[in-house]
Amino acid sequence: EPEVTQTPSHQVTQMGQEVILRCVPISNHLYFYWYRQILGQKVEFLVSFYNNEISEKSEIFDDQFSVERPDGSNFTLKIRSTKLEDSAMYFCAGGDRGNYGYTFGSGTRLTVV
Amino acid sequence: GEDVEQSLFLSVREGDSSVINCTYTDSSSTYLYWYKQEPGAGLQLLTYIFSNMDMKQDQRLTVLLNKKDKHLSLRIADTQTGDSAIYFCAESIPPGAGSYQLTFGKGTKLSVIP
Repeated sequence: EPEVTQTPSHQVTQMGQEVILRCVPISNHLYFYWYRQILGQKVEFLVSFYNNEISEKSEIFDDQFSVERPDGSNFTLKIRSTKLEDSAMYFCAGGDRGNYGYTFGSGTRLTVV
Repeated sequence: GEDVEQSLFLSVREGDSSVINCTYTDSSSTYLYWYKQEPGAGLQLLTYIFSNMDMKQDQRLTVLLNKKDKHLSLRIADTQTGDSAIYFCAESIPPGAGSYQLTFGKGTKLSVIP
């Protein structure tokens, strides 16, 4: 069964550093998403991406965050200057028709020290 | 705003039925979902129900929706040790620019006792 692949599975970074989280969605998916889950809290929507542009974003997705689909396959989330509170599990997801639920990757655990 | 609430823990004996409950607040939700997360893994879509349905059955899984009370439940028949995981209830908000944003509950950790 096709999978959404996320790399790395765990990343440790120093506060203030830039990080790029990478995702390879399933090839026929059209809608792409990033969610995050801070330890012990709910899974929260960050951003959705369709037709090579952001379609919606949450309040969490401020100027420190950006997304790209540079080569038609990879889908990346960049955090420009990480803060301690960015430590979380970040999930990439994709779908062909979002209303039937989408497929999530296994996540990247980001630890900011 | 939208909110989804679930109890945090459930413990059942192997072979019994498990019932995981969820309440949501957004009456304009179009779809409601159950996702499963095993340790170290991503969120796996188990099943979904459209908001104009009352019930959906899929093998050992039964989803019940009470739209009046905004209550969703997931029943797992003949629960197995492999069903031990965290189960997330989620609702989708009607699309903005074509994408469906999900609002998740905190997840219910199901522990199955052999």
